Formats: sequence, C-alpha cells, structure tokens
Amino acid sequence: EDQVTQSPEALRLQEGESSSLNCSYTVSGLRGLFWYRQDPGKGPEFLFTLYSAGEEKEKERLKATLTKKESFLHITAPKPEDSATYLCAARGESNYQLIWGAGTKLIIKP
Amino acid sequence: DTAVSQTPKYLVTQMGNDKSIKCEQNLGHDTMYWYKQDSKKFLKIMFSYNNKELIINETVPNRFSPKSPDKAHLNLHINSLELGDSAVYFCASSPTQDRVTYGYTFGSGTRLTVV
Repeated sequence: EDQVTQSPEALRLQEGESSSLNCSYTVSGLRGLFWYRQDPGKGPEFLFTLYSAGEEKEKERLKATLTKKESFLHITAPKPEDSATYLCAARGESNYQLIWGAGTKLIIKP
Repeated sequence: DTAVSQTPKYLVTQMGNDKSIKCEQNLGHDTMYWYKQDSKKFLKIMFSYNNKELIINETVPNRFSPKSPDKAHLNLHINSLELGDSAVYFCASSPTQDRVTYGYTFGSGTRLTVV
C-alpha cells in the first residue's frame, strides 16, 4: 500500500538554527514527490516537485532533496516567518491522486 | 485576484442539516479536487473532476455529492450532516490530471463544525 510518513511531528528551533525535515515514502513507481507549506487557517501552498533520486530544488532558505526512499527538506538559518506546517506528498504510477503525509509543524523562535 | 476561492470560510450547523460549499478557480485549470483535512492534519482526497467529469470518487459516504457545472466550479453538497463530518474541507485545482508539475493550487478552506 502506498504510504508517506513525515518526521518529526513537530520541531522547535531557534532563529538561525538549521535542521532537516524527513519524508519517507513507499510508492510504486514514483511520479513525483511534492513539498507544501501550510500556514494556520490557510490552504497548502506548493513549494517543490522532485522526480528522481539525486534531484535537488532550492527556494530561499529551503532545499529539498530526494533519495529512493525518502525526501528531506533542509532549512538553513531559519527565520520566525518560516514557522508553518510542512506537508509532503507522493504520486505513484498506479493512480493520479497524491498520497499525503501528516506534516511537520515547524516553530522558529526569535 | 484569488486563484481558488471557496465559500463559506466557516460553517457551523446542526446534525441532520444539509449544507453546500462552493469553489471557483480562475486559473483555467482542467482538474479540480475536494480534500478533507482532519484534526491530525491528514489530507484525504474525496473527489476529483476533470473537465466536469468525475475521475476520482474515494470511499466517502453517499451523503457527499459533488457537482461541477463547468470546469471552473466544483461544489460540494452534504446531506444529513453528522458530528464526524466536522473538519476543514479544501478545494484545489491543477492544470490537468496528469500534469501536476507545479502542484495543486488550494483554496483557503472551509471549516465545518457540526454540533
């Protein structure tokens, strides 16, 4: 069964303290691994799509990487405005829908 | 201009009532979705329409009925509301059902509370 698991559930960092969020996936024939950011009271906002192992994408302080079993969202020198829930989703070859993880709630303290 | 807009943002209603949530997108996308996000933040697909045609219909109670009058609109009607229906419902769209390179664009959600 296709599955996406994110860890940790919550992560508290000091401003400037770099870290990584993990997304483990078991999906047959990965067709895309997606990262979204969700702020309280809002819908998820698209960040990145990764397609193959070894691929990396960057946006400001965020960098997403992909292996054959997991993806990491690295956050470098985070700021309080980076606080949000980060969601990971995967799409396999068997259907069109995305399989979502439960998210990691990131809190950056000033 | 809001890309995907859904109304209402909040909906509080009693058990047994019937309610509707409306969604409109102005992105010219062909595919629209309804998702349910529970208290644990899991997003679960409910329905997907591609050019007004239903393509995904996950196992949801038949009290939930989507309607797509045109490809820019996807409404969700819920009959005989139950306490367990309380959640945040998100509408989303993508260019096509195949091309999700740029991800889905989500609305801001409708928080449904059944009392």
